[in-house]
Amino acid sequence: DQQVKQNSPSLSVQEGRISILNCDYTNSMFDYFLWYKKYPAEGPTFLISISSIKDKNEDGRFTVFLNKSAKHLSLHIVPSQPGDSAVYFCAAKRTGSGNTGKLIFGQGTTLQVKP
Amino acid sequence: GAGVSQSPRYKVAKRGQDVALRCDPISGHVSLFWYQQALGQGPEFLTYFQNEAQLDKSGLPSDRFFAERPEGSVSTLKIQRTQQEDSAVYLCASSLQDYGYTFGSGTRLTVV
Repeated sequence: DQQVKQNSPSLSVQEGRISILNCDYTNSMFDYFLWYKKYPAEGPTFLISISSIKDKNEDGRFTVFLNKSAKHLSLHIVPSQPGDSAVYFCAAKRTGSGNTGKLIFGQGTTLQVKP
Repeated sequence: GAGVSQSPRYKVAKRGQDVALRCDPISGHVSLFWYQQALGQGPEFLTYFQNEAQLDKSGLPSDRFFAERPEGSVSTLKIQRTQQEDSAVYLCASSLQDYGYTFGSGTRLTVV
């Protein structure tokens, strides 16, 4: 049972345009969401996160939107740069006492930004 | 060190061989996680330590998998009698607080 899903395995955009990566989840108990970026032969690196009490979080070129009623979040990158080309993972967790904080990851979306 | 260090980076094991994978977390980080990432998939949780206590091992796929963190710092993931389905990248992550996780570069295990 895949609790976090990234239905697009790949995405290709032109440099300077917007990249939109999508993620859906099924467990309504998740209350914290993260996006990680991964280059080949490296571990995932943290990009941006959002708590379920918010619907938007912005950090420079990166914005994450959360729609709790739809159990959907998206990552917007604008403008996209060739160095953004990587695999992007969406992850979710339950916070609070009694929870270990383990992350549940989606399958990843490979983003290619063309110069 | 400044980051999470994992060794070896690559390991080739013959089927049936035992392997040990090491994780050096960031100094002072209380929480330590192990994840398994199969080719083309996202990382999947294996086990969690808070200091030396293993508080969650629900993700370990079989009793051939064993993890320890005896002094609350370095952790070792051991896989006994390796099988081909164990081939994956094994990732370690550590955190000081509940929200900031730092991952290592992983160990790529290939069982032949």
